[in-house]
Amino acid sequence: EAQVTQNPRYLITVTGKKLTVTCSQNMNHEYMSWYRQDPGLGLRQIYYSMNVEVTDKGDVPEGYKVSRKEKRNFPLILESPSPNQTSLYFCASSLLSPRGFLGAFFGQGTRLTVV
Amino acid sequence: GQQLNQSPQSMFIQEGEDVSMNCTSSSIFNTWLWYKQEPGEGPVLLIALYKAGELTSNGRLTAQFGITRKDSFLNISASIPSDVGIYFCAGQGAQKLVFGQGTRLTINP
Repeated sequence: EAQVTQNPRYLITVTGKKLTVTCSQNMNHEYMSWYRQDPGLGLRQIYYSMNVEVTDKGDVPEGYKVSRKEKRNFPLILESPSPNQTSLYFCASSLLSPRGFLGAFFGQGTRLTVV
Repeated sequence: GQQLNQSPQSMFIQEGEDVSMNCTSSSIFNTWLWYKQEPGEGPVLLIALYKAGELTSNGRLTAQFGITRKDSFLNISASIPSDVGIYFCAGQGAQKLVFGQGTRLTINP
């Protein structure tokens, strides 16, 4: 089954304790991306990757890191989480074509609480 | 960064009514996408639009890519209870998707 898998689904952590949210896709998509969703703000892009070893900042990259060592995996790293990073996070992957994105497939989300 | 204005922010309708929502942008987009999100789930793609003026249907859903490439709308005809959720528009700019704030649809049976 084609899917994007995020782990964990729920996480409560303390300020300053490094954490990683994993994302894996089985569709051989080139493009992967991380978003955060906050009430009234929709989905805002944190980082994206056009392919292996190619990553770029989205609209809200501060406080986050990513890596793309393999095509299927795109982990999101919070080196020193702060309470303002409490949010719902989504990973997505897309197939790229000359027409653009052929629809982005989303994971089920990771609800992060930083206390 | 680029922003999309999606309206309305919420809708409360009776089952069987038609629904209309739209997105506008100050920037031109190459692709417009419409997603639906249900509680506890990630957004799911409903319709993708690739050409200005394009009108595309998916069952009871119809979406159009505006001629100016700066807007799009989504219509849902004869709403049913399972249409409840949050609907997002998204525009594809250079290498990334920009999302609207969402329209929360509530249906009274």
